[in-house]
Amino acid sequence: NAGVTQTPKFRVLKTGQSMTLLCAQDMNHEYMYWYRQDPGMGLRLIHYSVGEGTTAKGEVPDGYNVSRLKKQNFLLGLESAAPSQTSVYFCASSYQLGGAIYEQYFGPGTRLTVT
Amino acid sequence: RKEVEQDPGPFNVPEGATVAFNCTYSNSASQSFFWYRQDCRKEPKLLMSVYSSGNEDGRFTAQLNRASQYISLLIRDSKLSDSATYLCVVNMRNAGGTSYGKLTFGQGTILTVHP
Repeated sequence: NAGVTQTPKFRVLKTGQSMTLLCAQDMNHEYMYWYRQDPGMGLRLIHYSVGEGTTAKGEVPDGYNVSRLKKQNFLLGLESAAPSQTSVYFCASSYQLGGAIYEQYFGPGTRLTVT
Repeated sequence: RKEVEQDPGPFNVPEGATVAFNCTYSNSASQSFFWYRQDCRKEPKLLMSVYSSGNEDGRFTAQLNRASQYISLLIRDSKLSDSATYLCVVNMRNAGGTSYGKLTFGQGTILTVHP
């Protein structure tokens, strides 16, 4: 049982290049999320999905797009990378555990540097 | 004002010490509360959920004060392996009354336990 996996683990991009980060989960979770983590800022939600074929904006969506074509996969795209997008990106998935309590499971992260 | 605020520390304590972390949140409609642990260059992992009545898991005790919008984590008999960043996390409802499991993270409190 792999849980949540992310590819790639590391990437260096030049300004203006594009790339896609892939997140996959094998726990049959309905909800999936993309976060970025920067020093002193904590984790901030970029986009999320409540089910296959649906996506929604989080706290810091600008410069990113997402797709959830299959329940187990959640893709994060950067169309034109900027140095401000240098960060560690975490994907997470979750399920409903009675009422409003949700535990999120995180992938190992992708370290992205934009030069 | 940040939605979830923590003292970033760092806290440096000797083995065996008792250490307490505090966290405040701004949204009185918040539903669920958690403490996550994040090791250096790793993904966050759920440490424990926080219930209104307070709850304990071994050496860890979490408490919630809804009136004061305050959450705490107490670690007794600290171990070297407790060294990590501790994230205060809140699940907040949006204006429509749903949350879809979206979490808001504090910036984390760094704990170092030394021999």
